[in-house]
Amino acid sequence: EDQVTQSPEALRLQEGESSSLNCSYTVSGLRGLFWYRQDPGKGPEFLFTLYSAGEEKEKERLKATLTKKESFLHITAPKPEDSATYLCAVPAYSGAGSYQLTFGKGTKLSVIP
Amino acid sequence: NAGVTQTPKFQVLKTGQSMTLQCAQDMNHNSMYWYRQDPGMGLRLIYYSASEGTTDKGEVPNGYNVSRLNKREFSLRLESAAPSQTSVYFCASSNSGTGNTIYFGEGSWLTVV
Repeated sequence: EDQVTQSPEALRLQEGESSSLNCSYTVSGLRGLFWYRQDPGKGPEFLFTLYSAGEEKEKERLKATLTKKESFLHITAPKPEDSATYLCAVPAYSGAGSYQLTFGKGTKLSVIP
Repeated sequence: NAGVTQTPKFQVLKTGQSMTLQCAQDMNHNSMYWYRQDPGMGLRLIYYSASEGTTDKGEVPNGYNVSRLNKREFSLRLESAAPSQTSVYFCASSNSGTGNTIYFGEGSWLTVV
């Protein structure tokens, strides 16, 4: 069965303390790996899509990387405004030739001033 | 640019009551989705509509019905609400095809008492 597992469940960082979030996946033939950011009381906001192993994408203090089994979201010198829940998702086969996004449970990041 | 708009934002229902969540998108997307998000469970797909005139079940469709009213609008109906349907509901849309980015609305908080 296709699965997406994120770790850790929660992460507390001091402002400026760099770290990484992990998303491991098991799907037959990756059709993209998606990262979203979700603030409390809001809908998920799209960050990145990665399609092939070795691909990297950056946005401000965030960099996403992809291997054949997992993706990392690296956060460099985080600020309090980076506090959010970060979700990853992959398209998983849902029958009748259809693929739908399957989400991990997320990593809740708290950046302390 | 509104993106994906959901109504209502908050709703309290009594067990057995019915209600419809409304969703509209202004991005000219073909595909639309309804997800629910529960603590510890992550985002789970309820129903989706790959294109106007089609709807399909997702991971957790029981107790729900949907209508793709036109290209812009996709509604979710609870015919007889149950406490287990207390959740946050997100509507989303995307271009057709696997691997395209899904964009989410702001969410609808539903409590069934």
